[in-house]
Amino acid sequence: EVQLLDSGGGLVQPGGSLRLSCAASGFTFSNFAMSWVRQAPGKGLEWVSTISGNGGSTYYADSVAGRFTISRDNSKNTLYLQMNSLRAEDTALYFCAKEYYGYFDHWGQGTLVTVSS
Amino acid sequence: SYEVTQPLSLSVALGQTARITCGGNNIGSRNAHWYQQKPGQAPVLVIYRDDNRPSGIPERFSGSNSGNTATLTISRAQVGDEADYYCQVWDSNNWVFGGGTKLTVL
Repeated sequence: EVQLLDSGGGLVQPGGSLRLSCAASGFTFSNFAMSWVRQAPGKGLEWVSTISGNGGSTYYADSVAGRFTISRDNSKNTLYLQMNSLRAEDTALYFCAKEYYGYFDHWGQGTLVTVSS
Repeated sequence: SYEVTQPLSLSVALGQTARITCGGNNIGSRNAHWYQQKPGQAPVLVIYRDDNRPSGIPERFSGSNSGNTATLTISRAQVGDEADYYCQVWDSNNWVFGGGTKLTVL
């Protein structure tokens, strides 16, 4: 059974940094691209970033490019999102998701990031 | 950048058929995917590549995609189908979501 466990969220001041993690199990992690998708309070889903299975290719939404960095450690079956220069508008529930040929077939439960002074 | 649009809300009578649309320029030439999200829960994939159901998704859920509109159809709607539904497409290394449709079953 595929399981994705998101963690690392919390309260951070504007301009601060945070690193999210997603521990994966139940599938061959290195064979699949992985993504982060966020949802601001009361709003819809917004794709944030995707990384290929071997980590060699990364993609970012314009809203986070240059501030966020996606990475993975295939030896630990773990996905990361390093978030720098955080803004109030980055406040959201962040989901990790397993990507499969253009769609997301499994999702984590989400970890909440709040950017506020 | 590519955009897809959904109605904000849709109401359907219990046992009737709900059709949730997702509009985009020539969306029929792309693969459309659909997610269901209930309050406080993570999204769940209900339709992939236009008209395919993942295992565990009831046959009442079906999809189609042609021209400028992709459609998620929920037959014999149940109270348990009340949720937000999102369409999603892939466009040049961008994964694009619609704004979501809140389905109410009356």
